[in-house]
Amino acid sequence: DAGVTQSPTHLIKTRGQQVTLRCSPKSGHDTVSWYQQALGQGPQFIFQYYEEEERQRGNFPDRFSGHQFPNYSSELNVNALLLGDSALYLCASSLGSSDTQYFGPGTRLTVL
Amino acid sequence: KQEVTQIPAALSVPEGENLVLNCSFTDSAIYNLQWFRQDPGKGLTSLLLIQSSQREQTSGRLNASLDKSSGRSTLYIAASQPGDSATYLCAGRDTGRRALTFGSGTRLQVQP
Repeated sequence: DAGVTQSPTHLIKTRGQQVTLRCSPKSGHDTVSWYQQALGQGPQFIFQYYEEEERQRGNFPDRFSGHQFPNYSSELNVNALLLGDSALYLCASSLGSSDTQYFGPGTRLTVL
Repeated sequence: KQEVTQIPAALSVPEGENLVLNCSFTDSAIYNLQWFRQDPGKGLTSLLLIQSSQREQTSGRLNASLDKSSGRSTLYIAASQPGDSATYLCAGRDTGRRALTFGSGTRLQVQP
């Protein structure tokens, strides 16, 4: 049983560009959450998707947007990249309102 | 707004030592608290989850406690091993919310 997978593993962009990160949830999971983890910090909640709708959002600007597909996979889009967007982006999946979240390995984004 | 703090930021101990990692939170309306392990550059692995109605949870050499009245949780690791070296993060989920609020973690190094 595959766990949570994320692609790409690493990504390098320049300021002002746009980026799309992808997440496939653990088999059977229908809820996907995205987190941003800056170096040396704990992850910060970006948003959560359930049934293709954004269910809750953290304190991130509108440059951060997402989407969930009918197969429950999800994308995180970041527009107009800033140097401060450099971080590890983590995806977590769960089943409904279950407390247990399974995290993927993350995508390391570097903005130059 | 929930805030989670972890002290110390880093800890180095000799193999075999028992140790305690500390986590404090500001809002007692916590729904549950989780402890995660993160290896360098990797995603998060859930270790223990304590519901607000529980006082502690145990898994192998790990024991986590939760005291809502004092806003504290501890993770006890017995007979530490070099393989325990990692960053340990605690995260709280507030009642009525779906996001996890993370601390900045404690980086543990167990010396052989």
